[in-house]
Amino acid sequence: SQQGEEDPQALSIQEGENATMNCSYKTSINNLQWYRQNSGRGLVHLILIRSNEREKHSGRLRVTLDTSKKSSSLLITASRAADTASYFCATDSYNNDMRFGAGTRLTVKP
Amino acid sequence: DSGVTQTPKHLITATGQRVTLRCSPRSGDLSVYWYQQSLDQGLQFLIQYYNGEERAKGNILERFSAQQFPDLHSELNLSSLELGDSALYFCASSAQGAPNYGYTFGSGTRLTVV
Repeated sequence: SQQGEEDPQALSIQEGENATMNCSYKTSINNLQWYRQNSGRGLVHLILIRSNEREKHSGRLRVTLDTSKKSSSLLITASRAADTASYFCATDSYNNDMRFGAGTRLTVKP
Repeated sequence: DSGVTQTPKHLITATGQRVTLRCSPRSGDLSVYWYQQSLDQGLQFLIQYYNGEERAKGNILERFSAQQFPDLHSELNLSSLELGDSALYFCASSAQGAPNYGYTFGSGTRLTVV
């Protein structure tokens, strides 16, 4: 069963703008991860944030985690056409495996 | 190249048939995870193996089975295939049994059942 749910399902922006994607989950977690998937390709790990962390940065990526609201956000600053992809959040479950949401499809127009 | 190798990349087969998908994890990784990605179901966790033993089970059908061999490569067997089994099947690996670090995904096997 799915654990995370991304919002919005699809997002279209112009190059140079910021893109924000949100993820909500249902049960308590140890960590939350964000992945990127180019069309039909494998997922690429972007960033992991642990449950005791509130914010994390990696290059143009900024992830926040609010465990009280069971939500996370991924911000991509100064977006580029190459950022066009689907973005997934994933959380660990009671089984210690990772469960993925349905993803946000981001389109960055040049 | 992520370091996780999946073969074959594409597979077309008829309903009722049986296929085997293969995954070689990244060097040093002990855990292998299988996921199914279809348009209407998203990315569904199927099963996890850690150092040869089944660690966790997700939405895996009884017609599907998997194993991890002593050299740590894994195979996913799909039998009595149905049209609805058409999907991308991904393998991922990680160093340990718990997802405290990111997964490394292979490029997937696209299965088409006709």
